[in-house]
Amino acid sequence: DQQVKQNSPSLSVQEGRISILNCDYTNSMFDYFLWYKKYPAEGPTFLISISSIKDKNEDGRFTVFLNKSAKHLSLHIVPSQPGDSAVYFCAASAETSYDKVIFGPGTSLSVIP
Amino acid sequence: DGGITQSPKYLFRKEGQNVTLSCEQNLNHDAMYWYRQDPGQGLRLIYYSQIVNDFQKGDIAEGYSVSREKKESFPLTVTSAQKNPTAFYLCASSIVGREKLFFGSGTQLSVL
Repeated sequence: DQQVKQNSPSLSVQEGRISILNCDYTNSMFDYFLWYKKYPAEGPTFLISISSIKDKNEDGRFTVFLNKSAKHLSLHIVPSQPGDSAVYFCAASAETSYDKVIFGPGTSLSVIP
Repeated sequence: DGGITQSPKYLFRKEGQNVTLSCEQNLNHDAMYWYRQDPGQGLRLIYYSQIVNDFQKGDIAEGYSVSREKKESFPLTVTSAQKNPTAFYLCASSIVGREKLFFGSGTQLSVL
């Protein structure tokens, strides 16, 4: 059973527009969430994180929103750039098993120049 | 430069053969992880280790084994019991306490 879901396998966005990547989770014990970016044949790199005590965290062009009641988080990229084209993974962990990080299946973002 | 080194980048396994993937880190991180990525799928946790000489099974540990004899090293052995080993394998590390994971560049394992 998939505990972290990213229901959109792919997304295409025009350069300069907003990219919104969504993530849903089923485990109510998750209280720390992270987004990673991955280029082909490379390891993922950390992008941004959010704790369950917050509902928003911003870092430059990247903002993550968390809706605990809906068990939903989203990553907003504004403005989108061609270099943002990559696979984005949502990940989650619970304080009770804090070293076990669970990843979603990923969303492939294409930013069209 | 601190980081995580995975080797080899490409590895081929013959049927019935065990192969070992190397992972070394010089970040002084306590926790290390092995993930497997299949095409179109996310990263699935194979094994993780919080301290030396201790490790826990992840979600798909069957057919794999690990050791953690040194803080810096966390090798993964893909045994002959793993019937579908072809995948991209990623090693990661973190400071214990749910810090962000730092990943290596991965090893692509294929079956001959």
